[in-house]
Amino acid sequence: GGIITQTPKFLIGQEGQKLTLKCQQNFNHDTMYWYRQDSGKGLRLIYYSITENDLQKGDLSEGYDASREKKSSFSLTVTSAQKNEMAVFLCASSNTGGAREQYFGPGTRLTVL
Amino acid sequence: TQTVSQSDAHVTVFEGDSVELRCNYSYGGSIYLSWYIQHHGHGLQFLLKYYSGNPVVQGVNGFEAEFSKSDSSFHLRKASVHWSDSAVYFCAVRKNYGSSGNKLIFGIGTLLSVKP
Repeated sequence: GGIITQTPKFLIGQEGQKLTLKCQQNFNHDTMYWYRQDSGKGLRLIYYSITENDLQKGDLSEGYDASREKKSSFSLTVTSAQKNEMAVFLCASSNTGGAREQYFGPGTRLTVL
Repeated sequence: TQTVSQSDAHVTVFEGDSVELRCNYSYGGSIYLSWYIQHHGHGLQFLLKYYSGNPVVQGVNGFEAEFSKSDSSFHLRKASVHWSDSAVYFCAVRKNYGSSGNKLIFGIGTLLSVKP
């Protein structure tokens, strides 16, 4: 088995601040994803990456940057935090060619004051 | 375009009851449907999937789902729920990008509350 680790678990920021969320996986999966989860809106894909140094925009990429530094890690940057923003950011990984289910981390809960 | 709809935001049942959580999809290519469960404060966990063959698929913890092309549905069922099944359940359809990854489109989720 494997695990996905997300840091930090809770992130409190100020309006306009640049904030970085980190994700590590030891499944040796090729593809990694960042989702944003808002109450009543399900999950929305921000960025995904099919291999090291690859980046693909999702449906909600505006206001975010991402970086796939190596196969096991994928970071997400909120470029300018919005006042009163609250959401959970979920990282996931999957095999690209074989099994297609995605494995999720526990999430980072963002609060912007 | 593939979309997925979960019509029930919240379902409440008693322990031991059967339950069906509904999911409808719009078909736009090769079918790949799945269900995930999210317990409070945790990430999502994969329950089961369908992409071909027997339309009734079995998952973990007694869950099963049935694919219906005529109804465009992939409803999740459990014959006898336990209080620990209380969670949010997400239906997802895969947007097939071939070698460029498996993008999932998620429904908004159904909160299942199981009362003792």
